[in-house]
Amino acid sequence: AQSVTQLGSHVSVSEGALVLLRCNYSSSVPPYLFWYVQYPNQGLQLLLKYTSAATLVKGINGFEAEFKKSETSFHLTKPSAHMSDAAEYFCAVSGGNQGGKLIFGQGTELSVKP
Amino acid sequence: GAVVSQHPSRVICKSGTSVKIECRSLDFQATTMFWYRQFPKQSLMLMATSNEGSKATYEQGVEKDKFLINHASLTLSTLTVTSAHPEDSSFYICSASGLAGGPQHEQYFGPGTRLTVT
Repeated sequence: AQSVTQLGSHVSVSEGALVLLRCNYSSSVPPYLFWYVQYPNQGLQLLLKYTSAATLVKGINGFEAEFKKSETSFHLTKPSAHMSDAAEYFCAVSGGNQGGKLIFGQGTELSVKP
Repeated sequence: GAVVSQHPSRVICKSGTSVKIECRSLDFQATTMFWYRQFPKQSLMLMATSNEGSKATYEQGVEKDKFLINHASLTLSTLTVTSAHPEDSSFYICSASGLAGGPQHEQYFGPGTRLTVT
């Protein structure tokens, strides 16, 4: 079975500050990991994904994430927050014989203060 | 590329009626489509997975007779909420994957449909 835990349902940072959104996963098979962003009343947009290539993954809008197998983590970071980064962020895992099904974390709402 | 659309974006219906939501992949062939529902301030809950030309696979606890899913072509899947009740009010999101059976392949999400049952 696979699962995802996002630590912190709400994170608030100042504009220009480091963004760190935490994601830990559990998987009995090599996982594929994703970060998605959702703006209000919209669908999800892929930020980045880990598919067993490089452990440091760079995504869109300046975001990146590092896969750490020893810590079963896939935390999302951005060096400098912009006001436009305020949104809901979801970490998700898939793998094994799940047919491409994604298991989502609970989500983290990011607020950016001016 | 990889655009998924949903129609309608918002619908209000009366209790007891049925509502159909369409999910289309506009620029790729979607062998697998997924339907999710999302309650306010919550994560996405997978309802079912559908592969073109075959019956949908429903997640545990999802009533297949209430949420009818049809994936008749490689670009269209529909979700019909039958005999809708207020508790069915939610945000319904579809996603599509262009490659069958590949967990490493991302899903492309539609913009969602807000269903309100009065």
